[in-house]
Amino acid sequence: DADVTQTPRNRITKTGKRIMLECSQTKGHDRMYWYRQDPGLGLRLIYYSFDVKDINKGEISDGYSVSRQAQAKFSLSLESAIPNQTALYFCATSDSGLGIGEQFFGPGTRLTVL
Amino acid sequence: AQSVTQLDSQVPVFEEAPVELRCNYSSSVSVYLFWYVQYPNQGLQLLLKYLSGSTLVKGINGFEAEFNKSQTSFHLRKPSVHISDTAEYFCAVIKNSGNTPLVFGKGTRLSVIA
Repeated sequence: DADVTQTPRNRITKTGKRIMLECSQTKGHDRMYWYRQDPGLGLRLIYYSFDVKDINKGEISDGYSVSRQAQAKFSLSLESAIPNQTALYFCATSDSGLGIGEQFFGPGTRLTVL
Repeated sequence: AQSVTQLDSQVPVFEEAPVELRCNYSSSVSVYLFWYVQYPNQGLQLLLKYLSGSTLVKGINGFEAEFNKSQTSFHLRKPSVHISDTAEYFCAVIKNSGNTPLVFGKGTRLSVIA
């Protein structure tokens, strides 16, 4: 079984709809991240959480919100989706101990906003 | 703040030829450096990392990278590429305190031609 799972894997929605992307991990890591990937722009950090009570904005947090429901779960919400939020979204985890900088990625969620 | 520049967005290379993917970073503090690889339709996975010690680090699949502090570079090399190396490669940096997230470059798409 995958250590970092994302649901759904693909989603097509309409402008103005609320969307939630979910991420779960079985690695026991304390840190979790949400990125979006766009062609030519690499990975851009949306939000990150260093523990359950810690939530931080990344470089492109506008239009997004997150919830860290438990150490193993980190959800990303688009309150009112717009077409330029069409992208590939990745969740990642890391451990604050020995594995500084080593992140483990989920398989991605491809979101299309029409 | 840290930043990463990957100097080539696309690198085509013939099978069994050598390849170098270039990465430069900027930081006012000591950092750790990483290369991640993303195969088609997959999430990212760690290829190799430099934390300290020998400036030449070896990773999976025959890749290696050399940390050059004076030139603030961390170029990735492989002496002979295979078709299966076709992927996108991301250079990343993190402060060695570990209290901030990874910063990724925009990626280099390596295409290996038969």
